[in-house]
Amino acid sequence: DAGVTQSPTHLIKTRGQQVTLRCSPKSGHDTVSWYQQALGQGPQFIFQYYEEEERQRGNFPDRFSGHQFPNYSSELNVNALLLGDSALYLCASSFRPDYQETQYFGPGTRLLVL
Amino acid sequence: GESVGLHLPTLSVQEGDNSIINCAYSNSASDYFIWYKQESGKGPQFIIDIRSNMDKRQGQRVTVLLNKTVKHLSLQIAATQPGDSAVYFCAERTNSGGYQKVTFGIGTKLQVIP
Repeated sequence: DAGVTQSPTHLIKTRGQQVTLRCSPKSGHDTVSWYQQALGQGPQFIFQYYEEEERQRGNFPDRFSGHQFPNYSSELNVNALLLGDSALYLCASSFRPDYQETQYFGPGTRLLVL
Repeated sequence: GESVGLHLPTLSVQEGDNSIINCAYSNSASDYFIWYKQESGKGPQFIIDIRSNMDKRQGQRVTVLLNKTVKHLSLQIAATQPGDSAVYFCAERTNSGGYQKVTFGIGTKLQVIP
């Protein structure tokens, strides 16, 4: 049973570019949440997807957008990259956004913006 | 903000001793708490959880204590091993409009001295 998978593992971009990160949830999970983790800090919630819709959003600008597909996988898109977007981007999956179960994290995508 | 930048609180423990990692949470409406372990270059890994109607829960070598009066969580690791070296995060979950939202606390770096 595969856990949460993310791709790519590492990515280097320059300021102003756009990036797309991908996540496949753990088998049986239908809810995907994305987090940004800057170096030395805890993960910060970006948004959550369920039934192909964004259900909740943290304090992130509209440059951060996402999508969920019918197979529950998800993408995170960041436009007009800034140096401060350099971070580890984590995807977490769970069963139903209102279900009493914890979420499981993928290994993350390390993004470096130059 | 909750960040301490690159200077995470650090706990150094001799191998074989017990470790206690503390965490203060902010929202009295949080109903569920989780401890995660994050090793370098990896995503957070679930360790143990506790619901707000409990004050103690034990797992294998780990115990979580919850004091709702002072909004404090602790993680106790018995007979600490070198493999326990990692950053530990507590997280609180609240119900927001029918959807669960997870907020991470400041991490603590555990260094196990062989």
